[in-house]
Amino acid sequence: NAGVTQTPKFQVLKTGQSMTLQCAQDMNHNSMYWYRQDPGMGLRLIYYSASEGTTDKGEVPNGYNVSRLNKREFSLRLESAAPSQTSVYFCASSEAYGNYGYTFGSGTRLTVV
Amino acid sequence: QKEVEQNSGPLSVPEGAIASLNCTYSDRVSQSFFWYRQYSGKSPELIMSIYSNGDKEDGRFTAQLNKASQYVSLLIRDSQPSDSATYLCAVNKGIKAGTALIFGKGTTLSVSS
Repeated sequence: NAGVTQTPKFQVLKTGQSMTLQCAQDMNHNSMYWYRQDPGMGLRLIYYSASEGTTDKGEVPNGYNVSRLNKREFSLRLESAAPSQTSVYFCASSEAYGNYGYTFGSGTRLTVV
Repeated sequence: QKEVEQNSGPLSVPEGAIASLNCTYSDRVSQSFFWYRQYSGKSPELIMSIYSNGDKEDGRFTAQLNKASQYVSLLIRDSQPSDSATYLCAVNKGIKAGTALIFGKGTTLSVSS
């Protein structure tokens, strides 16, 4: 079982470039999430999608956009990358929105120079 | 006050000992509580969930919840070197709160052989 698949695993961007991080899950989960993890800051929620067709901002949404393409896929876009967006990005999914545990993807390590 | 607080550690225990990891949360409406294990360079992995006051045991792991004290803990019995990782406490306030899992910054556990 693949679970939650993220691509790419590593990426280096120049300041001002754009890119899309892809996430797909094969567990028939309804809810999906994007987090970033920085040293000393822990995991912080960027955006989430409680169900197909809905998206909402999390704690740190500035500089990002998301698209819930279908039930399986939830992408994160950086329109104009900044060095402050250097981080490890994790996609996660859960059976439904609310009191459920999350399954995480393997992460994307992004460096903006 | 941070929503979810953990001592960063490191917590060092000898092989075979009991490791005790603690977490406090600030919002009394919190409904569900999770422990994740994260190895260095890897993604978080769900190891325990607990929803009601008391203890929940799963193999060598026991989660304890005290909602009155807003406290959740994880005990690891017969600690092994393979348990060396960062342990993340996560709290969900439920659907009505309009948010997703909130993570603590994690406690690093080191088990020496």
